[in-house]
Amino acid sequence: DAKTTQPPSMDCAEGRAANLPCNHSTISGNEYVYWYRQIHSQGPQYIIHGLKNNETNEMASLIITEDRKSSTLILPHATLRDTAVYYCIVRVAGQGGSEKLVFGKGTKLTVNP
Amino acid sequence: EPEVTQTPSHQVTQMGQEVILRCVPISNHLYFYWYRQILGQKVEFLVSFYNNEISEKSEIFDDQFSVERPDGSNFTLKIRSTKLEDSAMYFCASSDRQHNSPLHFGNGTRLTVT
Repeated sequence: DAKTTQPPSMDCAEGRAANLPCNHSTISGNEYVYWYRQIHSQGPQYIIHGLKNNETNEMASLIITEDRKSSTLILPHATLRDTAVYYCIVRVAGQGGSEKLVFGKGTKLTVNP
Repeated sequence: EPEVTQTPSHQVTQMGQEVILRCVPISNHLYFYWYRQILGQKVEFLVSFYNNEISEKSEIFDDQFSVERPDGSNFTLKIRSTKLEDSAMYFCASSDRQHNSPLHFGNGTRLTVT
């Protein structure tokens, strides 16, 4: 299983872009990079995912390096409500075709006023 | 936007009692999952379920646990004889196909075993 490495914590000023890095140097060619976040003890919330191209949606942008060994999640204009734990996950192929997510410790992002 | 719903939001039970945690996945989804999170710890995979059978289970998912899809909409997790260490948030998730379909999570059931 490809593993990910994230900084344990980061701070960001409200209104600024938050750039959350993730290393996944052992990722395989058919594994996707997923980002989720968890606000307080709520359920993990899907943000975005990608294979090798950069992706953007209404929540964030995902930049994946050409060698796919690392990625960055960008929240373009962070708000206080973006304070959460952000998880970078490489999605593994489970038994029987199911594809579970394996959560690490993530990055605790604190957006400051 | 469709969402995964879980009930109850909080369940308190005595050690040794059976509990059933309920989930209604998103209606057109085919793959179902249970995760748990002990306070202050990581979100841990318990089990995945597809086509009315378990696809994969973790070491945590021992004989005290079982899952069922009793009808076309509900997905349940049963803990037969609860232990103190079963106290945790339990999250249900669903996805609509394999490979690149994201999992969508409910907001969880907080289980407190006393």
